[in-house]
Amino acid sequence: DAMVIQNPRYQVTQFGKPVTLSCSQTLNHNVMYWYQQKSSQAPKLLFHYYDKDFNNEADTPDNFQSRRPNTSFCFLDIRSPGLGDAAMYLCATAGTTGELFFGEGSRLTVL
Amino acid sequence: AQTVTQSQPEMSVQEAETVTLSCTYDTSESNYYLFWYKQPPSRQMILVIRQEAYKQQNATENRFSVNFQKAAKSFSLKISDSQLGDTAMYFCAFMQGNQFYFGTGTSLTVIP
Repeated sequence: DAMVIQNPRYQVTQFGKPVTLSCSQTLNHNVMYWYQQKSSQAPKLLFHYYDKDFNNEADTPDNFQSRRPNTSFCFLDIRSPGLGDAAMYLCATAGTTGELFFGEGSRLTVL
Repeated sequence: AQTVTQSQPEMSVQEAETVTLSCTYDTSESNYYLFWYKQPPSRQMILVIRQEAYKQQNATENRFSVNFQKAAKSFSLKISDSQLGDTAMYFCAFMQGNQFYFGTGTSLTVIP
């Protein structure tokens, strides 16, 4: 059974039209992450939560925001997507043994 | 700041042969974790193997093993008896506290 579920798997939007990506986890873990991954590159950390404590990376653009209403769910909001925001967005949670469990990702296309 | 370096962008190996992927990292911390993750084409990223820095013994998972050299800050992955399903992007990752840092990846192709 999937432990980290991301929706939608594929999202097409127009330049400047806001999008929201969702993530849920069934592991009841405190820590959740959002990564951006562009083709053939390493995942780049955008945000992470430890419980409700929110941390954004210093170089995460202001165009990106995140919400975590409860332990199970986390959202990534892109307020005004640009062409450079086209990427795979990965959600992950960290287990008690330190490893990351990833979702299958949401691939964003910006037209 | 922690950094992870994978110096081999692409590698290939014949099926059934052995291949080693390199990873070095930089940290001033003494307590951390190291991981290798596998990302097959258009598929989910999954854990291959993990190593706790305080353990001297190298981790092994079936055909996958690591050579962890703490003093040299080196963490290489050896894949024995390579299979076609091993074709994927491999990322080395470092974790300290709640922070994960990934290398730029090595694209491995297993040739029939």
